[in-house]
This record gives sequence, structure tokens and C-alpha cells, in this order.
Amino acid sequence: DGGITQSPKYLFRKEGQNVTLSCEQNLNHDAMYWYRQDPGQGLRLIYYSQIVNDFQKGDIAEGYSVSREKKESFPLTVTSAQKNPTAFYLCASSTLGQDGYTFGSGTRLTVV
Amino acid sequence: GESVGLHLPTLSVQEGDNSIINCAYSNSASDYFIWYKQESGKGPQFIIDIRSNMDKRQGQRVTVLLNKTVKHLSLQIAATQPGDSAVYFCAETINQAGTALIFGKGTTLSVSS
Repeated sequence: DGGITQSPKYLFRKEGQNVTLSCEQNLNHDAMYWYRQDPGQGLRLIYYSQIVNDFQKGDIAEGYSVSREKKESFPLTVTSAQKNPTAFYLCASSTLGQDGYTFGSGTRLTVV
Repeated sequence: GESVGLHLPTLSVQEGDNSIINCAYSNSASDYFIWYKQESGKGPQFIIDIRSNMDKRQGQRVTVLLNKTVKHLSLQIAATQPGDSAVYFCAETINQAGTALIFGKGTTLSVSS
């Protein structure tokens, strides 16, 4: 079955460390997105990519970095510059101009 | 600031009632709208979508209404069941441009038996 996979499901980070969250899709979707969700809040856009080797900042890109070397993969790195990284991170993908945005099951990141 | 928002943060209904969840959007250029359901600890689950060239679309037990004049979106759930309890988000985008979905804060629907 086609889908979008995020890993790990839970991630713990020490202060000052960089961590990378994985997002892989086998839907042949062109575009991929990263969102952050805080408790009781909606989803806020971190970064998105419409095509391989290109990506754009979203509303809260500071302290995060991404890469899009392959169509199937869009990893998100949470850097030490992100002062409040504890949150639920969601990855999504879509085909440009067509219906449907598919979400992964999320990664819960906690700073310890 | 947010371009999409929901009118009520919480909604409590009895099992069997019809539920109406509302959403206002501010970007008149948005042409594609989606309603998602999110259960605790999970990713958003697609419920129903609508394009700007329509004003109503029906699914199984759900109906989405779009009023472009006042930039308002609503989700109607018929015969609400306890399994419908979740947080509901509306989202908007300019689909042809491949822009990202913009989400509102969400409405928590609680269904009591």
C-alpha cells in the first residue's frame, strides 16, 4: 500500500543536540511539507518542498533545516538553535494541482 | 497571523444529534479546502474536501458547505457518534500553485452517549 512514513514515533533530545526526523513517501507525490503542532494548537508550517532540490520556508522555519535530495524523502533537522523544540511534528505530501494531502502519523519530540 | 480559524474551540453534543463545525478563512485566493479529523497522538485524517467552484459537497454522514461571499466553511456531521469525538481542523490552500495547507486552531468535538 502507498503511504507516508514518519520515524521515529518518539524522539528524545538533549539540549544543544541536533536531531533529524525522517519522512518517506511512496505515493509519487511531488510536494512534501513539515508541520509543527503544540498541545491544543493547530498545525503550523515549518518548511515545504514542491520539487526535488528545492524548498521554501514556512511560518516558523527558524531553528529548522530540511533537504530534498530525493522525491520520496524530506528529512527535517531540528537544530540547537530551536529554543523550544518539544512538539508533535507532522509530515505531509501531495500532488501539485490535484486533490489530497496525505499525512504521516507524526513524531513526538521531547527535549530532556 | 492565521488565515483560517474556527469559531468555537469546543463543541459538545449528544449521540445521534447533528453537529455543525464552523470555520472562517481570510484568503480570497484560496481555491481548495479540506476538513481533517485528528485523534489524540495521531496525524490528521482526511474527511472531505471542496473546491471553490462548488458550494456544497456530501460524503458519508458529512457535508461541507462553502460560502465564498463571506469566506465561511462549515462541516456538518449527521447522527454524531461517540467515535466522532476528536479535534476537527479546516485547512485552505491555493491548490494549483502547490502551496501548503494553512490550518486553523481546531474545534474539539465531544460526543456523549
